[in-house]
Amino acid sequence: DGGITQSPKYLFRKEGQNVTLSCEQNLNHDAMYWYRQDPGQGLRLIYYSQIVNDFQKGDIAEGYSVSREKKESFPLTVTSAQKNPTAFYLCASSIDRYRGAGELFFGEGSRLTVL
Amino acid sequence: QKEVEQDPGPLSVPEGAIVSLNCTYSNSAFQYFMWYRQYSRKGPELLMYTYSSGNKEDGRFTAQVDKSSKYISLFIRDSQPSDSATYLCAIRGSSWKGGSEKLVFGKGMKLTVNP
Repeated sequence: DGGITQSPKYLFRKEGQNVTLSCEQNLNHDAMYWYRQDPGQGLRLIYYSQIVNDFQKGDIAEGYSVSREKKESFPLTVTSAQKNPTAFYLCASSIDRYRGAGELFFGEGSRLTVL
Repeated sequence: QKEVEQDPGPLSVPEGAIVSLNCTYSNSAFQYFMWYRQYSRKGPELLMYTYSSGNKEDGRFTAQVDKSSKYISLFIRDSQPSDSATYLCAIRGSSWKGGSEKLVFGKGMKLTVNP
């Protein structure tokens, strides 16, 4: 079955540590995205990538970094510079920017807790 | 004024009730209107999408767009306990320059259907 796989599902981190969240898709989608979801705040875009080796900052990129070395993979690193990293992180993909409404397909999410 | 406004609820209804979920938006350039359903601790899944104005029906679900009022609705008929979830509206414009990263989400409405 095609889909988006995020790992780990739950992650605990000590303050000052960097962590990397994995996102892999086998939908052959060109575009991939990272969102952060906090209670009462909806989804906020962190980074997105529309092609391999290229990515753009979203609305809340500070304290995060990404890479897009392969079409299928778009890992997110939450750095120690992120002041409030405890959140639910969602990876998504869409076919590309030219077809359809750009509807997003989401993974199951990764919940990061900073201790 | 925010681009998309959605009453966060929560909303609690008895089984079999008709549920109405709504969003308002401010930018008349928006063309694509989507509803996502998110179960607890899961990623959102696309429920329905509508292009421009009008209604779209899928089983017990009806999506309605009123562009003159900048108002979109999702109706659920004969609601079931399995419909208990958070429902997010998502809206985007027709410009392809930005691609899907311009998808704007409402904050989500938590719905509980009681047996």
